[in-house]
Amino acid sequence: DTGVSQDPRHKITKRGQNVTFRCDPISEHNRLYWYRQTLGQGPEFLTYFQNEAQLEKSRLLSDRFSAERPKGSFSTLEIQRTEQGDSAMYLCASSLEGTVNYGYTFGSGTRLTVV
Amino acid sequence: GEDVEQSLFLSVREGDSSVINCTYTDSSSTYLYWYKQEPGAGLQLLTYIFSNMDMKQDQRLTVLLNKKDKHLSLRIADTQTGDSAIYFCAERNGANNLFFGTGTRLTVIP
Repeated sequence: DTGVSQDPRHKITKRGQNVTFRCDPISEHNRLYWYRQTLGQGPEFLTYFQNEAQLEKSRLLSDRFSAERPKGSFSTLEIQRTEQGDSAMYLCASSLEGTVNYGYTFGSGTRLTVV
Repeated sequence: GEDVEQSLFLSVREGDSSVINCTYTDSSSTYLYWYKQEPGAGLQLLTYIFSNMDMKQDQRLTVLLNKKDKHLSLRIADTQTGDSAIYFCAERNGANNLFFGTGTRLTVIP
């Protein structure tokens, strides 16, 4: 296992288009998290899954955002009708319940630019 | 709610020690973390400390925790140019989610 993988690494889209990102966590990790990071800021929590259940969503996650983890393995984050304010790095992380005290393992992120 | 604050910039000379500071607000935080982010990369976990500890040392890294003042620091001994990066402090809330500070950009001057 090579860690947390995110695809694509970069995405440029026109305002109003829909985009979807994928995250493949470490295979034995049952928790998966999505964060958003804008320039000069720390990562902001968006949502997390335990297995296939989405257990918490931040108020940052507007109704244009939806995340899924259908089989409890990979996850997708979709943004509908993108806006310029959605431009950011979207980070995925995973952890194993019971070891979360050891922190999360992060992927390299997907950088979204909305033009 | 959770609020984590850090100073934005720190410059040190190669070979000196660096001290990066962080304050947090959630007194129920059980674990606190330091992450490192290099340009264009994700976050790399450096170290963590349990809230009932005052200090943790790991090679060149020393973490100090003052729970009363909700103050966390990371000391890097013998700082090298490869240590130049952004360092994030994070606290874990009761729902086991991490909340991050804005990050401190460390610049090591050769």
